[in-house]
Amino acid sequence: AQTVTQSQPEMSVQEAETVTLSCTYDTSENNYYLFWYKQPPSRQMILVIRQEAYKQQNATENRFSVNFQKAAKSFSLKISDSQLGDTAMYFCAFMKHWVRDDKIIFGKGTRLHILP
Amino acid sequence: GAVVSQHPSWVICKSGTSVKIECRSLDFQATTMFWYRQFPKQSLMLMATSNEGSKATYEQGVEKDKFLINHASLTLSTLTVTSAHPEDSSFYICSARAQNYNEQFFGPGTRLTVL
Repeated sequence: AQTVTQSQPEMSVQEAETVTLSCTYDTSENNYYLFWYKQPPSRQMILVIRQEAYKQQNATENRFSVNFQKAAKSFSLKISDSQLGDTAMYFCAFMKHWVRDDKIIFGKGTRLHILP
Repeated sequence: GAVVSQHPSWVICKSGTSVKIECRSLDFQATTMFWYRQFPKQSLMLMATSNEGSKATYEQGVEKDKFLINHASLTLSTLTVTSAHPEDSSFYICSARAQNYNEQFFGPGTRLTVL
């Protein structure tokens, strides 16, 4: 069974600094998808970034980038130039395939506070 | 991007009553919808997966007679909490996926409080 582990329950960082959120996962699959979701105080789940395992290049979306280490089963999220609006719960997530019923498996989350 | 709506966004009910939560995909056809439950400061817990026109598949430990899920059309799924009790108070989130579309879209959630 697949598992996703986020070892940092809570983090705080000053505005404009860079912060890295850790995530490790366990799977026997070779091809799969990894995601980072953001859940701000509104509780709306927002997709931040996703990575296909077959792609070696790390995904980036503006200030957000990942460090995907497939052999180590590690998938960390780096937020550069952090902003107050980045304050949220961040969930690392895994999915095997985009077939009809395949489930997204979420980690327990990291609560990130951006301090003014 | 695609939009998923939920209604109501917030509901309070008395113990023993039933509550229905609607989840709609507004601009796409959702072949599969997922229902999650989230307790404060915790992660999303998948309750069930529903495919349009089929019976829902419930996760282990989720009472199917208590949490009735119907996915009668490609744009609407409903979750009915039957005979609600205070321990059913939680935040319920639906999510929808279109066939052959490699993304899953989340609704804004429904906060249920059972008195």
